[in-house]
Amino acid sequence: DGGITQSPKYLFRKEGQNVTLSCEQNLNHDAMYWYRQDPGQGLRLIYYSQIVNDFQKGDIAEGYSVSREKKESFPLTVTSAQKNPTAFYLCASSRQGRSGGELFFGEGSRLTVL
Amino acid sequence: AQSVTQPDIHITVSEGASLELRCNYSYGATPYLFWYVQSPGQGLQLLLKYFSGDTLVQGIKGFEAEFKRSQSSFNLRKPSVHWSDAAEYFCAVAKGNAGNMLTFGGGTRLMVKP
Repeated sequence: DGGITQSPKYLFRKEGQNVTLSCEQNLNHDAMYWYRQDPGQGLRLIYYSQIVNDFQKGDIAEGYSVSREKKESFPLTVTSAQKNPTAFYLCASSRQGRSGGELFFGEGSRLTVL
Repeated sequence: AQSVTQPDIHITVSEGASLELRCNYSYGATPYLFWYVQSPGQGLQLLLKYFSGDTLVQGIKGFEAEFKRSQSSFNLRKPSVHWSDAAEYFCAVAKGNAGNMLTFGGGTRLMVKP
C-alpha cells in the first residue's frame, strides 16, 4: 500500500544535540512538506520541496534544515539552534501543480527535549 | 496573507446529536478550502474540500461543509455524531493558484458523550 512513513515515532534528545527525522513516501508525489504541530496552534509549515534538489523555507524554518536528494525522501534535521524543539512533527506529500491541494500525511514523530 | 480561525478550541456533543464546527478564513480571492481530521497521535486525513461550484460539499464519514463567501466561512457539519468522531478537526485554506500550500487553523477538539 502506498503511503508516507515517518520514523522514529518517538524521539528524546538532550539540549544541544541535532536530530534527524525521517520521511519516506511511495506515492510518487513530487511535493513534500514538513509541519510542526503545537497544542492550540494548528500546523505550521517548516520547509517544503516541490521537486528533487530544491526546497523552500516555510513560516518557521529557523533552527531546521532539510534535504531532497531523492523523490521519495525528505529528512528534517532539528538543530541545536532551534530554541523550543519539543513538538509533534508531521511530514506530508502531494501531487504537483493545481492538483486539488490534498496533502497525504504520515503518522508523525514526537520529539521531546530533555 | 491568508489566515484561518477556528473559534472553538473544544466542543462536546452527545452521541447522536448534530454537530457544527466553525471556520472563518481571510483571503482576498477565491480560496481553496479544506477540512482535515486527526485522531490522537496520528497524521491528518482529508474529510472534504471546496474549490468552486456547489457551495455545499459532501465528504467522507457523513460530513458536509458549506462555503459562504459573504461570511468568509466554511463550517463543517454532521447530522448525527458517532463516538468514533471524537478527534481534532482542522480547517485549512490555500491560495487559488497554489493549491498545495495550506494555512491551517488552530483546530477544534471534539469530544463525544455517550
